[in-house]
Amino acid sequence: ETGVTQTPRHLVMGMTNKKSLKCEQHLGHNAMYWYKQSAKKPLELMFVYSLEERVENNSVPSRFSPECPNSSHLFLHLHTLQPEDSALYLCASSQDVPGQQETQYFGPGTRLLVL
Amino acid sequence: QKEVEQNSGPLSVPEGAIASLNCTYSDRGSQSFFWYRQYSGKSPELIMSIYSNGDKEDGRFTAQLNKASQYVSLLIRDSQPSDSATYLCAVNNGGFKTIFGAGTRLFVKA
Repeated sequence: ETGVTQTPRHLVMGMTNKKSLKCEQHLGHNAMYWYKQSAKKPLELMFVYSLEERVENNSVPSRFSPECPNSSHLFLHLHTLQPEDSALYLCASSQDVPGQQETQYFGPGTRLLVL
Repeated sequence: QKEVEQNSGPLSVPEGAIASLNCTYSDRGSQSFFWYRQYSGKSPELIMSIYSNGDKEDGRFTAQLNKASQYVSLLIRDSQPSDSATYLCAVNNGGFKTIFGAGTRLFVKA
């Protein structure tokens, strides 16, 4: 596989469920990102990992928990979500150099519906 | 004031015309500027990146950057119906956080 892949592509969950989103990048990049995209709103950065260390956390509720076991994989663990968390969750990766961010490449996203 | 502002549109242009998409940003320290295209139900894909003042051309696309005016634009020449999508402007100040605009919907009429 090439590029950035995400699974599952669609997810329906109840507010008491626990689920995980998975992202894998095959580009050899050193940074990975989670974004939330809601209808008619800008992409919202949730988490950034650089060289497997979390470097950005945008005041995301604790019901979202990221995990980056290595530079190619990124997870987003979900628990006790709210209906307003329903959105498209996008993973991205980039090859960052000091002082300049390079292009981010996005995965296809996971469409999440919380009932 | 929003950090990255775009007109939400829709911007409607006839096939073959030039589509002009505009974006303003608030952080004067911004260094990297990107235009992404997002088709309905799909993820964003990079169209152009620009880092210095002036124009940058790639095929039918031209990005224009004016840091003094905090303004970046994307011109699409010879617009095609397949260009119909939402175009996202994104700005980065050298850190890990890239700020995205809400996007401009473009509709190219055949």
